[in-house]
Amino acid sequence: GEDVEQSLFLSVREGDSSVINCTYTDSSSTYLYWYKQEPGAGLQLLTYIFSNMDMKQDQRLTVLLNKKDKHLSLRIADTQTGDSAIYFCAESPDTDKLIFGTGTRLQVFP
Amino acid sequence: NAGVTQTPKFQVLKTGQSMTLQCAQDMNHEYMSWYRQDPGMGLRLIHYSVGAGITDQGEVPNGYNVSRSTTEDFPLRLLSAAPSQTSVYFCASSPSGANVLTFGAGSRLTVL
Repeated sequence: GEDVEQSLFLSVREGDSSVINCTYTDSSSTYLYWYKQEPGAGLQLLTYIFSNMDMKQDQRLTVLLNKKDKHLSLRIADTQTGDSAIYFCAESPDTDKLIFGTGTRLQVFP
Repeated sequence: NAGVTQTPKFQVLKTGQSMTLQCAQDMNHEYMSWYRQDPGMGLRLIHYSVGAGITDQGEVPNGYNVSRSTTEDFPLRLLSAAPSQTSVYFCASSPSGANVLTFGAGSRLTVL
């Protein structure tokens, strides 16, 4: 069955890079996604990567995909206090379902 | 453009009571879905709809009913609330399929 796993917490100093990791199980997912949830709010799409790509860069965000190991990572360069949030990775085993991971709570301290 | 609107934001129920969580979107999205968010478990899909008149079950559908009589609205009904349904519920929509979802702000439900 589908299962997406993430570590629950990550704490980084402001200005450092953050790396959030995710493992997924369904190799048929066409796209893999990263969503961000700020306190008291719904999720917002942060970025996504097509399954035939290894890397995607979008300003401070870098997504790396290792299809062989079914491993997805999100790197945030120069992490700011405004980046403090919960980050969810998600896979799409079919076109009508998006399966989310448990979420990683990123805390940025000065 | 309001996006995805959920009501109510907060609700407290007693065990056995029924209620409906409302979800409306004004983006003419075909796809709508309901998730519940519980600590340490991420988001789990309850029900989804790929268009008006069409609904289907997700991972955790038991205890919940949905209908989709219009493109705009996708209400979630709890017929007999149980403490295990205490959670934060999110409605989400997309133009088609479960990919780039727009989420509502959430509805926090407590069942005593």
